[in-house]
Amino acid sequence: QSVLTQPPSVSAAPGQKVTISCSGSSSNIGNNYVFWYQHLPGTAPKLLIYDNTERPSGIPDRFSGSKSGTSATLGITGLQTGDEADYYCGSWDNSLSAIIFGGGTKLTVL
Amino acid sequence: VQLVESGGGLVQPGGSLRLSCVASGFTFSDYWMSWVRQAPGMGLEWVANIKQDGSVKYYVNSVKGRFTISRDNTKKSVYLQMDSLRAEDTAVYYCVRAIAAIDSDWGQGTLVTVSS
Repeated sequence: QSVLTQPPSVSAAPGQKVTISCSGSSSNIGNNYVFWYQHLPGTAPKLLIYDNTERPSGIPDRFSGSKSGTSATLGITGLQTGDEADYYCGSWDNSLSAIIFGGGTKLTVL
Repeated sequence: VQLVESGGGLVQPGGSLRLSCVASGFTFSDYWMSWVRQAPGMGLEWVANIKQDGSVKYYVNSVKGRFTISRDNTKKSVYLQMDSLRAEDTAVYYCVRAIAAIDSDWGQGTLVTVSS
């Protein structure tokens, strides 16, 4: 069981908006930055969000990140079929002295 | 930027493997480097990371005492020595630059299978 908790799956129709939650604790999200990855099978994961809200160049502004207390959220607007993937949140954990990932959320665009 | 892993393969339980990752296209000595794995049907799991000069290393609890991360900045390479391998270590292992920063990059991964 992951230290960071994500819903196993979410779904929405093309063009709609979806949010993916990531719940942690004061030893990780509460006192450290959060990052988000998109992972398509057979490919290398792609960084979507770092430092809670920042997007690397090339990541469209349809993707957004937010953090409040010990939880974080990834938002995706204007859903496209190409967004179907697994999404992972992550953070540093001060108690474990380790980088931790959430269990992953499978996004289905209906 | 390119990260190329090698060294994966089939190994018996209790055996050892050494993964290598050769970097190009950036100043290797400027970056923390990590290894991340994904077991079949499972999520991503960070395994270990190492500071720019090799002086600081961190490991996930499940590999402490069995795996050792190291680097050679003259060869632009990072390594993962894996000893006392178990079936649950079976995974694709990725070499990662700056896992949570703007200039994060991943290799394509190398498959490690631990089975008799």
